[in-house]
Amino acid sequence: DAGITQSPRHKVTETGTPVTLRCHQTENHRYMYWYRQDPGHGLRLIHYSYGVKDTDKGEVSDGYSVSRSKTEDFLLTLESATSSQTSVYFCAISESAREPQHFGDGTRLSIL
Amino acid sequence: RKEVEQDPGPFNVPEGATVAFNCTYSNSASQSFFWYRQDCRKEPKLLMSVYSSGNEDGRFTAQLNRASQYISLLIRDSKLSDSATYLCVVIKAAGNKLTFGGGTRVLVKP
Repeated sequence: DAGITQSPRHKVTETGTPVTLRCHQTENHRYMYWYRQDPGHGLRLIHYSYGVKDTDKGEVSDGYSVSRSKTEDFLLTLESATSSQTSVYFCAISESAREPQHFGDGTRLSIL
Repeated sequence: RKEVEQDPGPFNVPEGATVAFNCTYSNSASQSFFWYRQDCRKEPKLLMSVYSSGNEDGRFTAQLNRASQYISLLIRDSKLSDSATYLCVVIKAAGNKLTFGGGTRVLVKP
């Protein structure tokens, strides 16, 4: 399995609080991605990174920010969490944009 | 129309039978194609890439039909452990944009 670790694995928090999810990889892959998965919507890309300090928005980026200060770490931040951001969040990595992505185990986030 | 569409199923399959399902894509400039498998409450895992000439991996066969803009996955001799949701992935050449289909659920029953 690809060396991808997501933390935390589960989190419950309250509306309005900041939340940061971490994705750590040991594969030295250039590309890293954050997705959310909800019933009826499938996997939707939030943000992605194509190198250290190089990031871009996905289709559902509103309310989320990301940072990548090192090759191995990609952070997803919800500045002020809302109940609509309750979801399962997956991190993925790939060597290039055209190569298949490999996913972490996911983070289950509940915002009450 | 969605960029990548799949029949959500479920496809109820007797153990040992063959099942096949498609994934259609709308952009003719799509370049790379993959099938993923996702078990309930787990992460998607790469099942196989899809090549222009078609390819096989054990009981799984993937095909690409560029003229009709779809890819297919066929599972032979279905096992109970094949029960999962199968996601297709399409990558467009321009901008390298990757899109997931919504998934096809397969249930293999004894």
